[in-house]
Amino acid sequence: AQSVTQPDIHITVSEGASLELRCNYSYGATPYLFWYVQSPGQGLQLLLKYFSGDTLVQGIKGFEAEFKRSQSSFNLRKPSVHWSDAAEYFCAVGPYGGSQGNLIFGKGTKLSVKP
Amino acid sequence: DAGVIQSPRHEVTEMGQEVTLRCKPISGHNSLFWYRQTMMRGLELLIYFNNNVPIDDSGMPEDRFSAKMPNASFSTLKIQPSEPRDSAVYFCASGPSGQGISEQYFGPGTRLTVT
Repeated sequence: AQSVTQPDIHITVSEGASLELRCNYSYGATPYLFWYVQSPGQGLQLLLKYFSGDTLVQGIKGFEAEFKRSQSSFNLRKPSVHWSDAAEYFCAVGPYGGSQGNLIFGKGTKLSVKP
Repeated sequence: DAGVIQSPRHEVTEMGQEVTLRCKPISGHNSLFWYRQTMMRGLELLIYFNNNVPIDDSGMPEDRFSAKMPNASFSTLKIQPSEPRDSAVYFCASGPSGQGISEQYFGPGTRLTVT
């Protein structure tokens, strides 16, 4: 079955500390992987995406993610967290090839940042 | 680019009333998605369109919900009659078409409260 798992519901980090949010997926076809961020009261904003090529992809706001096929993972990282990064983060997987298809979203990880 | 536009941003209505949510996708995008987000159930896909044609409406909770896309630049989600359990944030997202593209861009959402 196709699924996305974000094992951490809530994470708290200190400002300036490094961050890693975990994402594991199960997908039968070649996946197209995404990370979205949702600030309170806002819609989801695309942070970064990956299909092929370099397994380390750079996104907006200083985020990066690494695709590891052997582990079916696509973890999101940031070397130094800012207070404005406090938000909810969603990992998603979608189809590649053919017509437009649906994305499967994880349940999200809420990030809190301590001053 | 204006991004995905949704209206209204907030809607408060009484049980039994008809509610219509509106969405204008990003120009040039051929796919449109309606989602519902609640604390309990997270982000749920309700329906999606490709080239104005509904492709998958299996997420529409019941017959009280209906969605239309009369042209490439407009879609509506209607709830009739509305019930308190329909209270949620409803997001519209659009995506570019083409081989191997499945990313989605979200609107700011409509917060619906049914009393």
